Amino acid sequence: DTQMTQSPSTLSASVGDRVTITCRASQSISSWLAWYQQKPGKAPKFLIYKASSLESGVPSRFSGSGSGTEFTLTISSLQPDDFATYYCQQYNIHPYTFGQGTKLEIK
Amino acid sequence: EVQLLESGGGLVQPGGSLRLSCAASGFTFTNYALNWVRQAPGKGLDWVSVISGSGGITYYADSVKGRFTISRDNSKSTLYLQMDSLRAEDTAVYYCAKAYGSRMGSADYWGQGTLVTVSS
Repeated sequence: DTQMTQSPSTLSASVGDRVTITCRASQSISSWLAWYQQKPGKAPKFLIYKASSLESGVPSRFSGSGSGTEFTLTISSLQPDDFATYYCQQYNIHPYTFGQGTKLEIK
Repeated sequence: EVQLLESGGGLVQPGGSLRLSCAASGFTFTNYALNWVRQAPGKGLDWVSVISGSGGITYYADSVKGRFTISRDNSKSTLYLQMDSLRAEDTAVYYCAKAYGSRMGSADYWGQGTLVTVSS
């Protein structure tokens, strides 16, 4: 199985900050990586697919990069609505594993 | 507008069975794979299973293989998850999620989830 490891597990930041979350795969997944945002009590929201393609309607302050085994999600200027938990997921090969999540907190 | 509505969750004893349903609308149902993803209380997302648009291809997480069965009724635009031999560790909110494009496993639209509690 392909293991997905996110870092950090928790990130404290302020409105206006630029933040980066890293996701590493235990083997190459090409660019078959998605990012999701989840708020408490809500279903996840699809943000980015194929490592760097922004889903329609997602603000342009979100961006993704990487290929192979190392990927990043960057938020260029944090807004109050961005404080949530973020997950990466590989969909290169089943089982389609998620990272453990990164909780983005207000500093 | 894509909508996914899960139902069928509830309290079940260990070793028992439950069948979840997910009614879909707003897209051409047969064109997309569908996933089940779960989330235990206070924990992260855990991919469970996926089925192709035709229903001919299915995959499962090792943790549920042999106990859970995914299926779909394309005439009713409904996805199912039959869960047998339930364990305490299966307690979670179960989400159905539509795959993005032609690639199985990704999930661009999600339902609101249904809670399954396995306890005596």
